[in-house]
Amino acid sequence: KNEVEQSPQNLTAQEGEFITINCSYSVGISALHWLQQHPGGGIVSLFMLSSGKKKHGRLIATINIQEKHSSLHITASHPRDSAVYICAANRDDKIIFGKGTRLHILP
Amino acid sequence: EAGVAQSPRYKIIEKRQSVAFWCNPISGHATLYWYQQILGQGPKLLIQFQNNGVVDDSQLPKDRFSAERLKGVDSTLKIQPAKLEDSAVYLCASSFSYGGFYNEQFFGPGTRLTVL
Repeated sequence: KNEVEQSPQNLTAQEGEFITINCSYSVGISALHWLQQHPGGGIVSLFMLSSGKKKHGRLIATINIQEKHSSLHITASHPRDSAVYICAANRDDKIIFGKGTRLHILP
Repeated sequence: EAGVAQSPRYKIIEKRQSVAFWCNPISGHATLYWYQQILGQGPKLLIQFQNNGVVDDSQLPKDRFSAERLKGVDSTLKIQPAKLEDSAVYLCASSFSYGGFYNEQFFGPGTRLTVL
């Protein structure tokens, strides 16, 4: 079992829908990252959080340390949000990556 | 602020050939990472440098992969000879430091390698 699990693996939604991607981890961590990867391969860091909630534009990330769970929400989704979203957990000096959630927003 | 630069963006080679990738991290970032990402999987750490020293290369296939960061800035990753299973995106990332909260990693655009 992966130390960082994401769900769903694939998600297709209509433009405008509220999107939630979940991440669960089984190890103690110092921080959790949400990353966005577009088809070209490059990765962009969206959030790095160790507690509570962060918001940037239409993106919201939350983390519950006790439950070892984090969520990434996208409000008013748009086709340009189509990408792979990766959850990654900081443990010691390493980062453990989830396998990613492939999101496809239909116009 | 300039981001992490990588080149080339794409490379196609035949098996048993050699290939090299280059990475220039964000200025001032002491820690540099090379990741291999096979299609459909999350990135796998190949090697981590702190300045010009190796912190972790436990998952680097040392019989064919090598990496260096001679002056503690730019880095090169080499594969010699390449195998079909090396087809992947090779990502370079850098962070200000490592450990604790200050190791937020910034990723480059990646190099997509196809081995025929």
